[in-house]
Amino acid sequence: AQRVTQPEKLLSVFKGAPVELKCNYSYSGSPELFWYVQYSRQRLQLLLRHISRESIKGFTADLNKGETSFHLKKPFAQEEDSAMYYCALRGYSGYSTLTFGKGTMLLVSP
Amino acid sequence: EAGVTQSPTHLIKTRGQQATLRCSPISGHTSVYWYQQALGLGLQFLLWYDEGEERNRGNFPPRFSGRQFPNYSSELNVNALELEDSALYLCASSPNQGQGNEKLFFGSGTQLSVL
Repeated sequence: AQRVTQPEKLLSVFKGAPVELKCNYSYSGSPELFWYVQYSRQRLQLLLRHISRESIKGFTADLNKGETSFHLKKPFAQEEDSAMYYCALRGYSGYSTLTFGKGTMLLVSP
Repeated sequence: EAGVTQSPTHLIKTRGQQATLRCSPISGHTSVYWYQQALGLGLQFLLWYDEGEERNRGNFPPRFSGRQFPNYSSELNVNALELEDSALYLCASSPNQGQGNEKLFFGSGTQLSVL
């Protein structure tokens, strides 16, 4: 079974502070990991995926297979980063689907 | 390019009734996914259709069913509605058959309220 855990429901930081949104997963094989984001009054959308090794809007995430984690990081938070962030996992077996964590609300205050 | 469209935006039903939710994927996308987003529970996977076939199903009772039409649009049907079915139902589409790293494009959802 695949499972994604986001331990924090809410993370509140000040503008300019570093941000780390935690994500841990449970999967027996090699998963594909994603971060999705939902800004206020907008649709849920992909932020980044581990296979691309990209930095989007200053965010990065590294897959740590030893710790089964895929934490999302940004060195300097901006007010426009305030949103709901979901970590998601897809396995590679057959018709595997995307499993989401329960999400973390990031609130960046001025 | 039009995104994923869902209808209706809001749906109010009473317990025991049936609800039908509709989804039109992005043009060219063959896979459609349904998720339930209930308060405090995050996104729970419901169903996945591709090329008209059901490819995978989440841990939901059989009264949750659906289908995909030849034009790749999809319907989600919920029979014998219960109060706990009240949630936002999200539809997503992707361009291929879930090979591993393609991204999902989400609709705005249908808010189902069961009274």
